Amino acid sequence: GAGVSQTPSNKVTEKGKYVELRCDPISGHTALYWYRQSLGQGPEFLIYFQGTGAADDSGLPNDRFFAVRPEGSVSTLKIQRTERGDSAVYLCASSLFSGGGNTGELFFGEGSRLTVL
Amino acid sequence: QQQVKQSPQSLIVQKGGISIINCAYENTAFDYFPWYQQFPGKGPALLIAIRPDVSEKKEGRFTISFNKSAKQFSLHIMDSQPGDSATYFCAASPYNQGGKLIFGQGTELSVKP
Repeated sequence: GAGVSQTPSNKVTEKGKYVELRCDPISGHTALYWYRQSLGQGPEFLIYFQGTGAADDSGLPNDRFFAVRPEGSVSTLKIQRTERGDSAVYLCASSLFSGGGNTGELFFGEGSRLTVL
Repeated sequence: QQQVKQSPQSLIVQKGGISIINCAYENTAFDYFPWYQQFPGKGPALLIAIRPDVSEKKEGRFTISFNKSAKQFSLHIMDSQPGDSATYFCAASPYNQGGKLIFGQGTELSVKP
C-alpha cells in the first residue's frame, strides 16, 4: 500500500511483559515519528527519526520505552516491563523530509492499540 | 507554555451550518499551525495548515483564521455535511520542527442531517 503501515493493529498483553510495535513508513519518506494517543486526547509526541538516527527522543516517558530504525525505513517501538498506564494507541507518522524547509505534513498510520491488563 | 488549548470539546451542527473550532497557544516560537481530522479507528489526516505570516487560509469549505497578536487560531467549516462528523485536532510546532506537533485536546464534531 501507499500509506503508513503499522502492525499489529491490536495488542493485548499482561503487565510486566515486553512488546514491540512496528511501523513501515511511506516509501521515500526520510522522517519518521512516533506519537501516543490516549482515549479522548490528542496525540503526544514520543520520538522522531531523521534517517537512522533518533533526532529527538524528548517525548519518551521513561527508559522503558525505546525505538529503533536501523536501516532508515522500518521502525520498531519497544516497551519493556509494560504497565497499565501504557495502554493507548501508538501512532506512527512519516514525512517527506525534515530540517530546513520541512512542510510539516505528517502522514499517519492507523495506529497500534495497546492494552495492558 | 507548550500547551495548545482547544474548544469546544464537542460540537453539534445542523447540515449546512457553520462549524467553528477554536485554539489558543502560548509559545511564541510556534510557527506552523495545522488542523487534523480523525475518524474512529483511523489515524489523523492533515486537513489544512497555516503559517503566521498570513491571517487566513481557505481550502474549499475549510478556512483557518489566525490572530497572531492574540495567539489564537480557528477552523471554520462552511456548509457542514454529515460526512464531516469526526474529531478535529488543532496543533502547533516550533520553527524548523514541523513534525514535532503539540496537539490540542480535540473537538468531536457531529453534523446532523
